[in-house]
Amino acid sequence: QVQLVESGGGVVQPGRSLRLSCAASGFTFSSYGMHWVRQAPGKGLEWVAVIWHDGSNKYYADSVKGRFTVSRDNFKNTLDLQMNSLRVEDTAVYYCAREGNYDILTPCDYWGQGTLVTVSS
Amino acid sequence: DIQMTQSPSTLSASVGDRVTITCRASQSIDKWLAWYQQRPGKVPKLLIYKASSLESGVPSRFSGSASGTEFTLTISSLQPDDLGTYYCQQYKNYSRTFGQGTKVEF
Repeated sequence: QVQLVESGGGVVQPGRSLRLSCAASGFTFSSYGMHWVRQAPGKGLEWVAVIWHDGSNKYYADSVKGRFTVSRDNFKNTLDLQMNSLRVEDTAVYYCAREGNYDILTPCDYWGQGTLVTVSS
Repeated sequence: DIQMTQSPSTLSASVGDRVTITCRASQSIDKWLAWYQQRPGKVPKLLIYKASSLESGVPSRFSGSASGTEFTLTISSLQPDDLGTYYCQQYKNYSRTFGQGTKVEF
C-alpha cells in the first residue's frame, strides 16, 4: 500500500537550515507529482511546494519562496525539502503528500504522518 | 493567488443533523476543488475531488456541489466519527490554497 514517511524534523534556531525527507513506497514514485503542506500548531493547512513527477517544474508558496527548495530522487523514491533562513513562523508539522494522477488536475490523495519543525531560539 | 474563504469557522451540531459547509473562491477555479477531513490528531483525508466526486471509500453521506465560485460540502446525517475540521482546497493553480477550515463539534 502507499506509504509516505517523513523525517528530519527537530528544533532549530532562527536563521539556520534544516532538510526534511519523505520516503515513498507502494507506488511508482516517478509517475506522481509530490507536495509539501504544513500546519502550524493549532492552525490550518498551508500549501508549501510542489514538484512535478520528473522534477522538471517546482512551485512554492510566497511565504517560503527563495528560502525553501524542493527536490526529488526518482531512483531512491525520496522527496526532500531544504529549508534555509528559517523563521519562527515556519514552526509547523510538515506533511509530504502525493498528488493523484487520474485527471489533468488532481488533489493530494495520500499524506504522510508529518514531521514537526520547531524554530526557536 | 486565489483566496479561499470558508464558512462557518465553527459549527455545532448533533448526531443525525444535516450539515453544510461553504467555500468561496476569489476567482474562477472551474470545478477544481477538493474537500478534506482532519480528525483531531490525524492526517488530512481526501473526501471529495472535482467539487462533487466522492473519493473511494468515503461514506455516501458526504457530498459536494458547486455554483460558480461557491462550493458546498454537505453531510446528510452527521455521525460521531465526523468530528473534526474540514478544509476546502483549490487545485486549479500551481499554488494550491486551502480555506481556513471549519471545525465541526457536537
